[in-house]
Amino acid sequence: AQKITQTQPGMFVQEKEAVTLDCTYDTSDQSYGLFWYKQPSSGEMIFLIYQGSYDEQNATEGRYSLNFQKARKSANLVISASQLGDSAMYFCAMRGPYNTNAGKSTFGDGTTLTVKP
Amino acid sequence: SAVISQKPSRDICQRGTSLTIQCQVDSQVTMMFWYRQQPGQSLTLIATANQGSEATYESGFVIDKFPISRPNLTFSTLTVSNMSPEDSSIYLCSVGGSYEQYFGPGTRLTVT
Repeated sequence: AQKITQTQPGMFVQEKEAVTLDCTYDTSDQSYGLFWYKQPSSGEMIFLIYQGSYDEQNATEGRYSLNFQKARKSANLVISASQLGDSAMYFCAMRGPYNTNAGKSTFGDGTTLTVKP
Repeated sequence: SAVISQKPSRDICQRGTSLTIQCQVDSQVTMMFWYRQQPGQSLTLIATANQGSEATYESGFVIDKFPISRPNLTFSTLTVSNMSPEDSSIYLCSVGGSYEQYFGPGTRLTVT
């Protein structure tokens, strides 16, 4: 069974600063995928970034990067140069082996990020 | 990426009634997924809908309560049957591949 743990229910960051949102996972699979999603107050779920378990480099997408530490089973999201529009709930999620559709992911409980002006 | 639309966007329903939620994708996909997000909580997968076969339900969800149709490769419906206040949630339709997942805007359901 897969498990995602997000230990920070809420985080605050000053505008223009960087912030790290924590995510640890547990799985017995050797191959898996890790995802981060953003959910603004409007309720939509926005896919941000993906990291494969065999990817040697950390994933980056614009201001988002994923700090992947496989031995520690952590996949932290780093948001650089925070903007007011980054205020939202952020979810970490995990899918199983390579041919598993991401739609069958397991989600963490989420972290609410508030960006202060 | 995939563009997903859902109808209705929100509804308020009486206890004991049923609501059917529609999900339309702008491209053909093999699998579509239905999630539930209860207030203040994370997402929970309800079922996987494959075209041409019965939906596969996750533990804790049953077909009688959440019947699903998948008539073609771009469309699916989820019905929430015999509703109770505990069914008040956001219901999300989703499609994806191995490296990404996309969600519809969600249907906010309130059961009174």
